[in-house]
Amino acid sequence: GEDVEQSLFLSVREGDSSVINCTYTDSSSTYLYWYKQEPGAGLQLLTYIFSNMDMKQDQRLTVLLNKKDKHLSLRIADTQTGDSAIYFCAEVHGYQKVTFGIGTKLQVIP
Amino acid sequence: NAGVTQTPKFQVLKTGQSMTLQCAQDMNHEYMSWYRQDPGMGLRLIHYSVGAGITDQGEVPNGYNVSRSTTEDFPLRLLSAAPSQTSVYFCASSRDLEGHYGYTFGSGTRLTVV
Repeated sequence: GEDVEQSLFLSVREGDSSVINCTYTDSSSTYLYWYKQEPGAGLQLLTYIFSNMDMKQDQRLTVLLNKKDKHLSLRIADTQTGDSAIYFCAEVHGYQKVTFGIGTKLQVIP
Repeated sequence: NAGVTQTPKFQVLKTGQSMTLQCAQDMNHEYMSWYRQDPGMGLRLIHYSVGAGITDQGEVPNGYNVSRSTTEDFPLRLLSAAPSQTSVYFCASSRDLEGHYGYTFGSGTRLTVV
């Protein structure tokens, strides 16, 4: 079946880079996403990557996709306290079939 | 644009009570859905709709009803609330039916059933 796995927690110092990892099981996934959830708010789409891409960069965000290992990562450069949130990985693997991970809580230490 | 608006933000119900969680979007999105978020379980799909008059069940539909009479609105009904329905509920919409461009989420409704 489809499953998306993430580690639960990551702590980094302000100014360092953060790397949040995700593994998925469905090799037919077409799109993979990263969402950010701040306390008391809904999920906000950060970025997405097509399955035929290896990397996508958007300002401080870099997404890497390893299709062979079914591994997705989100790198945040120069992490700021405002980046503290829960980050969700999600995959689209069919018509209206979206599976979310359980989320990684990023704590940024000043 | 308001995006996706959910009301109420907080609600406490007694077991057996009924209520409707409201969701409205002003982006003319055809696709709308309801998720519940529980600790350690991520987001689970309850029901979804691909257009006015069309709804379908998601992963955890039991205890919930939906209808879609207009493109803008997608209410979620709890007919007889149970403590197991204590959760945070999110409504989401998408501009394409395949979900390729991601979802726009509302800010959520935190429901407690006592």
